[in-house]
Amino acid sequence: GDSVTQMEGPVTLSEEAFLTINCTYTATGYPSLFWYVQYPGEGLQLLLKATKADDKGSNKGFEATYRKETTSFHLEKGSVQVSDSAVYFCALSRPTGNQFYFGTGTSLTVIP
Amino acid sequence: NAGVTQTPKFQVLKTGQSMTLQCAQDMNHEYMSWYRQDPGMGLRLIHYSVGAGITDQGEVPNGYNVSRSTTEDFPLRLLSAAPSQTSVYFCACSSVRTGGLTEAFFGQGTRLTVV
Repeated sequence: GDSVTQMEGPVTLSEEAFLTINCTYTATGYPSLFWYVQYPGEGLQLLLKATKADDKGSNKGFEATYRKETTSFHLEKGSVQVSDSAVYFCALSRPTGNQFYFGTGTSLTVIP
Repeated sequence: NAGVTQTPKFQVLKTGQSMTLQCAQDMNHEYMSWYRQDPGMGLRLIHYSVGAGITDQGEVPNGYNVSRSTTEDFPLRLLSAAPSQTSVYFCACSSVRTGGLTEAFFGQGTRLTVV
């Protein structure tokens, strides 16, 4: 069945460090891929998305590239800030599907 | 626009009590869904709806009922609360397009404790 696997956390980085959060997926066909961010006490909000192979989603300095050959959608940011501390979720939806599949989330803490 | 509004934000129930979590959206999206979020388990789908009058079960439907009488509202009912239902509940909505579901818009969540 469809699923998303993302790296275990928690992740702790110093401010201005490089961030990578790995995400791989299993799905039939060509799913849409998403990264969501959840700040403490809030709901999830969309960070970026990609809908076809080789697309790059980007927002607020974060990027992720849809890699069909490796079934991956890794999240990267060149220089993290304290305000990026949150939980990050990778997710997919299939063209013929009727639900999202979420990873278990990766908690990021950025220290000054 | 308010987006997706959930009420209440916090609730404490005794075992065996029933209650309804409310969810309303003003985005005119066809698709609505309920998730529960538990530590280390990510989000698990409870029930979803692709339009008024249509509902279906997700991954963890037992102990919960839903109905969709209007496009805007999608309440979640706990029939007889159990401690295992202690969780944070999120409602979300999306549009349905040819390529599948578009991005999900989430409410702020309801933190439920069953004692």
